Amino acid sequence: DTGVSQDPRHKITKRGQNVTFRCDPISEHNRLYWYRQTLGQGPEFLTYFQNEAQLEKSRLLSDRFSAERPKGSFSTLEIQRTEQGDSAMYLCASSPGTSGQETQYFGPGTRLLVL
Amino acid sequence: TQLLEQSPQFLSIQEGENLTVYCNSSSVFSSLQWYRQEPGEGPVLLVTVVTGGEVKKLKRLTFQFGDARKDSSLHITAAQPGDTGLYLCAGYYTGRRALTFGSGTRLQVQP
Repeated sequence: DTGVSQDPRHKITKRGQNVTFRCDPISEHNRLYWYRQTLGQGPEFLTYFQNEAQLEKSRLLSDRFSAERPKGSFSTLEIQRTEQGDSAMYLCASSPGTSGQETQYFGPGTRLLVL
Repeated sequence: TQLLEQSPQFLSIQEGENLTVYCNSSSVFSSLQWYRQEPGEGPVLLVTVVTGGEVKKLKRLTFQFGDARKDSSLHITAAQPGDTGLYLCAGYYTGRRALTFGSGTRLQVQP
């Protein structure tokens, strides 16, 4: 068990460009979550998957954001036409998915800077 | 809107001092978790509390869940520089699958 991994760890992009982040959950974990954390704040929920199904999306997830988990394993989060306000740490977490509310294990995050 | 407030926001103390961090909500939690986060890293789970009135100890850290399950506290005894970091509480509200996080308490322990 190597824990949750995220790639890349850091991304610098220019406003208007598209970016894609990847998350690999803990093996056998069925539930995968995305959060966003801005400087000085706690993480805010974006979306979560149970296997390949995206079951909940936050109002923070504008139409420029899309997340997928096509085979129920890794997930990608894409941001189209990035804006400076998208600069944040994007965190992925996973949990077993066998009970209602579970301990979530977080990855190291992807820090995005939009210039 | 369910809000989870943490206090204090910042705390700078000397090595050996004790401290308490508070986490409060107007709504009932199904369960609550405390995390510690280092700069540039993801949150690392410290403890999960589920039952009202529950107290859990992790070495010098004591976690308490309020009787009504609307508040929690983290007490650190004899703080050490290695305790420096961002402490986050996060709760599950009834029926939710996503955690709601507080804004965190940034702790700095000076040697």
